[in-house]
Amino acid sequence: AQSVSQHNHHVILSEAASLELGCNYSYGGTVNLFWYVQYPGQHLQLLLKYFSGDPLVKGIKGFEAEFIKSKFSFNLRKPSVQWSDTAEYFCAVNQGGNTGKLIFGQGTTLQVKP
Amino acid sequence: EAQVTQNPRYLITVTGKKLTVTCSQNMNHEYMSWYRQDPGLGLRQIYYSMNVEVTDKGDVPEGYKVSRKEKRNFPLILESPSPNQTSLYFCASTWRNNSPLHFGNGTRLTVT
Repeated sequence: AQSVSQHNHHVILSEAASLELGCNYSYGGTVNLFWYVQYPGQHLQLLLKYFSGDPLVKGIKGFEAEFIKSKFSFNLRKPSVQWSDTAEYFCAVNQGGNTGKLIFGQGTTLQVKP
Repeated sequence: EAQVTQNPRYLITVTGKKLTVTCSQNMNHEYMSWYRQDPGLGLRQIYYSMNVEVTDKGDVPEGYKVSRKEKRNFPLILESPSPNQTSLYFCASTWRNNSPLHFGNGTRLTVT
């Protein structure tokens, strides 16, 4: 069965530190990749997505992610985090085509200390 | 305003008492889906619907039912809730299944 794995469950950083959250998936075919963010008490919002083309995608709030097909990875990065980035981050993968199934990783809780 | 509306936001019930969580979207989206969110497990898909009268099981469908009689509505039905269905539930919709999802605000369900 397909799976999505986020390696870091809980990350604590100081403001201005750099961030990288790992995401690996198991499906070998064409995929669509997403990162969602959930601020405390809120619903999930899209940070960025990759469908095709340039494997380095930029999202909102200074986030970016790189799709490395050979490593089945889609890691999320931000050069300098802010306290307001404190949230839970989810990687999600959808098989290309009309399958209807979107699989989420377990989530990574990011805590940024002021 | 484009949105996905879930009701209720909070629900406390007892084992075996049937309940329905409603979900409605005003964006004319074809695809709708239900997820449950549990600590350490992320979001797991319960059911999804590609269009009216078209529904299919996700990864954790046991104990749940859905219906899609109209494009805008996708209610989640728990015929006989059990404590292991205590969770945070999210409804989501989008134009096509591989497009970014629009999420509702969530329904926190407690089954005692």
